[in-house]
Amino acid sequence: AQTVTQSQPEMSVQEAETVTLSCTYDTSESDYYLFWYKQPPSRQMILVIRQEAYKQQNATENRFSVNFQKAAKSFSLKISDSQLGDAAMYFCAYKETSGSRLTFGEGTQLTVNP
Amino acid sequence: GAGVSQSPSNKVTEKGKDVELRCDPISGHTALYWYRQRLGQGLEFLIYFQGNSAPDKSGLPSDRFSAERTGESVSTLTIQRTQQEDSAVYLCASSLFQGAIGEQYFGPGTRLTVT
Repeated sequence: AQTVTQSQPEMSVQEAETVTLSCTYDTSESDYYLFWYKQPPSRQMILVIRQEAYKQQNATENRFSVNFQKAAKSFSLKISDSQLGDAAMYFCAYKETSGSRLTFGEGTQLTVNP
Repeated sequence: GAGVSQSPSNKVTEKGKDVELRCDPISGHTALYWYRQRLGQGLEFLIYFQGNSAPDKSGLPSDRFSAERTGESVSTLTIQRTQQEDSAVYLCASSLFQGAIGEQYFGPGTRLTVT
């Protein structure tokens, strides 16, 4: 079974600085999808960024980028120029290409200090 | 357009009572998912509906849990004889289709508290 591990329960960053959130996963599949979701106190899960495993190029969405290391099964999220609105719980998630469900990590609570 | 909606937003019930949680997916989305999120934890998959196919119920934790979906519209998650360990946020998501990346859009969830 696939598992997703986020080893940092909590992280903090100063406003305008850069922070990296870690995620590792375990799978025997060669093709799959990876996601980072943000969950603010409102509980609404918001998709931040996604990566297709067959693509070597790391995904980027404005201030958010990933470092995808397929051999190491690592998928970290870098947030540049952190803003107060980035404060939230961040979840890493995995999905098989032929599958339906998302498998989530335990989450990392990000605090942004002014 | 409207996103995924869920009702009620919060539900407090006594142990042993039955509860029904509702999810309205985005119009046109054929796939619908239910997840459970216990306090301080990640989301756990419960059940998945895709069109008229048989649902994938492999994530349901016990036979006290069941779900229905009418066509490609509303879904109801029912928990019978609730237990304190059922206390959690129940999140619903929908997507256009299962295949390819099948991006899932989430509702705001229902917080269930069993006293």
